[in-house]
Amino acid sequence: AQTVTQSQPEMSVQEAETVTLSCTYDTSESDYYLFWYKQPPSRQMILVIRQEAYKQQNATENRFSVNFQKAAKSFSLKISDSQLGDAAMYFCAYRNRFMEYGNKLVFGAGTILRVKS
Amino acid sequence: DAGITQSPRHKVTETGTPVTLRCHQTENHRYMYWYRQDPGHGLRLIHYSYGVKDTDKGEVSDGYSVSRSKTEDFLLTLESATSSQTSVYFCAIGQASNYGYTFGSGTRLTVV
Repeated sequence: AQTVTQSQPEMSVQEAETVTLSCTYDTSESDYYLFWYKQPPSRQMILVIRQEAYKQQNATENRFSVNFQKAAKSFSLKISDSQLGDAAMYFCAYRNRFMEYGNKLVFGAGTILRVKS
Repeated sequence: DAGITQSPRHKVTETGTPVTLRCHQTENHRYMYWYRQDPGHGLRLIHYSYGVKDTDKGEVSDGYSVSRSKTEDFLLTLESATSSQTSVYFCAIGQASNYGYTFGSGTRLTVV
């Protein structure tokens, strides 16, 4: 079974600075997707960024980018120019690309990000 | 999120009572999921459905059952609620061709 580990329960960053959230995963599959979700206090789950394992290029979405190291099974999220609105719980998630049923997402435990003004 | 609604948003119930949570989608997605969120555990899969009347267990299915009689509705039932089932419950929908899921706004369930 696949597992996702987020080793940082909490992180803090100064407004306008850069922060990196860590994620490692374990799988025997070679074709899969990785995701970062943001959960603000409203409880809504918001997809921040996704990465296809077959793509070598790291995904980027505005101020959010990832460092995908397939051999090391590492998938970190970098937030540049941090804003107060970035304060939230962040979840790393994994999904096999090909599954007969379900395409189930497996989540890490989450990292709380605090942004200081 | 647009296209998926959960009800109720909050519920307090007594130990030993049955509880049903509802997830309704308007997206005609094939896959539907129930997760629970607990501190230190992230989101863990309870049950999922890959079609009408087609369901399967997730990693924390004990004490829960599900039903899907229509594409748009996926019900989660706690057969006899226990305090360990106090949690936030999320429904999600997905398609095989889509990368991620769309999540509902969650139900906070408290069992006293």
